[in-house]
Amino acid sequence: SQTIHQWPATLVQPVGSPLSLECTVEGTSNPNLYWYRQAAGRGLQLLFYSVGIGQISSEVPQNLSASRPQDRQFILSSKKLLLSDSGFYLCAWDATGGTSETQYFGPGTRLLVL
Amino acid sequence: GENVEQHPSTLSVQEGDSAVIKCTYSDSASNYFPWYKQELGKGPQLIIDIRSNVGEKKDQRIAVTLNKTAKHFSLHITETQPEDSAVYFCAAIGGQLTFGSGTQLTVLP
Repeated sequence: SQTIHQWPATLVQPVGSPLSLECTVEGTSNPNLYWYRQAAGRGLQLLFYSVGIGQISSEVPQNLSASRPQDRQFILSSKKLLLSDSGFYLCAWDATGGTSETQYFGPGTRLLVL
Repeated sequence: GENVEQHPSTLSVQEGDSAVIKCTYSDSASNYFPWYKQELGKGPQLIIDIRSNVGEKKDQRIAVTLNKTAKHFSLHITETQPEDSAVYFCAAIGGQLTFGSGTQLTVLP
């Protein structure tokens, strides 16, 4: 069966510091991968998605970037965090090439920027 | 692109009562409608889904109905229990998955 991991689970970082959040998927090959941010416990905002290694699409302009160095690894980064980057970050995957496929979410990373 | 509206944003029910959450979508090409439950501090989990060739689907205490003509679909939870308290998201897939804004369900003991 497929499993999706995220770490760290919780992170407290000062403003201006760098960020690296990692997501890995097990039990599937060539998944589509997604990063979402959720503020105030509601509303999923799609940040990035990737259909393959090195292929990243950004949904909104922001202080963050994403990379996919391996098939089942997705990384969310920032060079300098802002207060507004605080939130709950979720990674998700779905099957490539499928139509009408739902996404499966990881456990999330709670980021607090002080 | 697809637009999904979800109502209500908050819902409180007494334990044992039923809860209904409604969503509408804009893209008539959407053909798959999953529902997610998100407990506090956790990622959303798929609880039930329905495809456009089906009008209703049940799984124990939860059911989903779909009206393609009116472009709306609903989640029904019967005999609610305190552990049903969570945020529920509807979603629609035409090309890409689009989420509703979520409903905070509170089941009062």
